[in-house]
Amino acid sequence: DAEITQSPRHKITETGRQVTLACHQTWNHNNMFWYRQDLGHGLRLIHYSYGVQDTNKGEVSDGYSVSRSNTEDLPLTLESAASSQTSVYFCASSELPGQSTDTQYFGPGTRLTVL
Amino acid sequence: AQKITQTQPGMFVQEKEAVTLDCTYDTSDQSYGLFWYKQPSSGEMIFLIYQGSYDEQNATEGRYSLNFQKARKSANLVISASQLGDSAMYFCAMRPTPWDSTLTFGKGTMLLVSP
Repeated sequence: DAEITQSPRHKITETGRQVTLACHQTWNHNNMFWYRQDLGHGLRLIHYSYGVQDTNKGEVSDGYSVSRSNTEDLPLTLESAASSQTSVYFCASSELPGQSTDTQYFGPGTRLTVL
Repeated sequence: AQKITQTQPGMFVQEKEAVTLDCTYDTSDQSYGLFWYKQPSSGEMIFLIYQGSYDEQNATEGRYSLNFQKARKSANLVISASQLGDSAMYFCAMRPTPWDSTLTFGKGTMLLVSP
């Protein structure tokens, strides 16, 4: 079955280290998204991509970067991890750009702790 | 900018009763989409139901229905015949236009279903 996976599922790192969270989908979806979830904030958009070589900043993009070299993967990099980036990170994908339904399907999430 | 408001931090309901989770939104766009997601304690985000702004009928998916009142900018989720497994966090989200596939989320409502 097609799916969206994230790795690692849990990560503890130290302040200042570079961290990369992986997201891989096998639906062949064009759209991919990264969100972070914090208590009291719901989910907030970090970066997104509408296709290979396309990346865009979301609401809370400072300190994060993404690259899209193929359809299946959108890795999220924290250039220099900060304690404020301790959060749960969700990757999502959707199939139908420009279509009314265009439902996003989410990966299982990565819990990142920055000490 | 779009805004989603979920005014109920927590809701309690007894098993087999119906419950309504409130969601109001703010947008100046005419063509938009509204989504509800469920997040159980295990953490994954599960798509429940979608309503397009031009859909004439309220969306339904099994025990879930969406009470869409466009003039009031509300998109309340109605769960009929609640089950213990419905205990979870519920998020309302909006996609602003057909060509912008990103989602803006509310802060969520925690639903607890008691026997």
